[in-house]
Amino acid sequence: AQTVTQSQPEMSVQEAETVTLSCTYDTSESDYYLFWYKQPPSRQMILVIRQEAYKQQNATENRFSVNFQKAAKSFSLKISDSQLGDAAMYFCAYRSRETSGSRLTFGEGTQLTVNP
Amino acid sequence: ETGVTQTPRHLVMGMTNKKSLKCEQHLGHNAMYWYKQSAKKPLELMFVYSLEERVENNSVPSRFSPECPNSSHLFLHLHTLQPEDSALYLCASSQGTAPGNTIYFGEGSWLTVV
Repeated sequence: AQTVTQSQPEMSVQEAETVTLSCTYDTSESDYYLFWYKQPPSRQMILVIRQEAYKQQNATENRFSVNFQKAAKSFSLKISDSQLGDAAMYFCAYRSRETSGSRLTFGEGTQLTVNP
Repeated sequence: ETGVTQTPRHLVMGMTNKKSLKCEQHLGHNAMYWYKQSAKKPLELMFVYSLEERVENNSVPSRFSPECPNSSHLFLHLHTLQPEDSALYLCASSQGTAPGNTIYFGEGSWLTVV
């Protein structure tokens, strides 16, 4: 079974600075998706960015980018020019492309605080 | 307005009560999900419906009973719950259940069992 580990329960960053959230995962598969979801105080989970494992190029969405290291099974999220609205719980998630009916497997989350 | 709407947002119920959580998606999707989010635990998938048929039941106790009358609505019927069932219940939807399809979540229903 796949597992997702987020080793940083809490992180903080100054407004306009850059922060990196860590995520590692364990799998024996080679074809899968990785996701970062954001959960603000409203509690709605919002997709931030996703990465397809067969793509070597790191995904980027505006101020959000990932560092995908497939061999190391590492998938970190970098937030540039942090804004107050970025404050939220961030979840890393894995989903297999090889297993029929695969499910999203989430990490335990990292609570990000943005200081003005 | 979010694409996935959940009601009620907060629910307090006794262990002998029967209540239901409702989810409605306005995205034209054909797959819907129930997730449970407990404190200090990863999100847990409970049920998956595709084209109104249950395709996954992740070893959920029978005191949780899902119902999907059409592709836009999903219910979670609750009866004789335990205090440890107190959690945030998230509904989600997607266009199909393929791994690459983005899953859209609602804002959740906070459940407290007393």
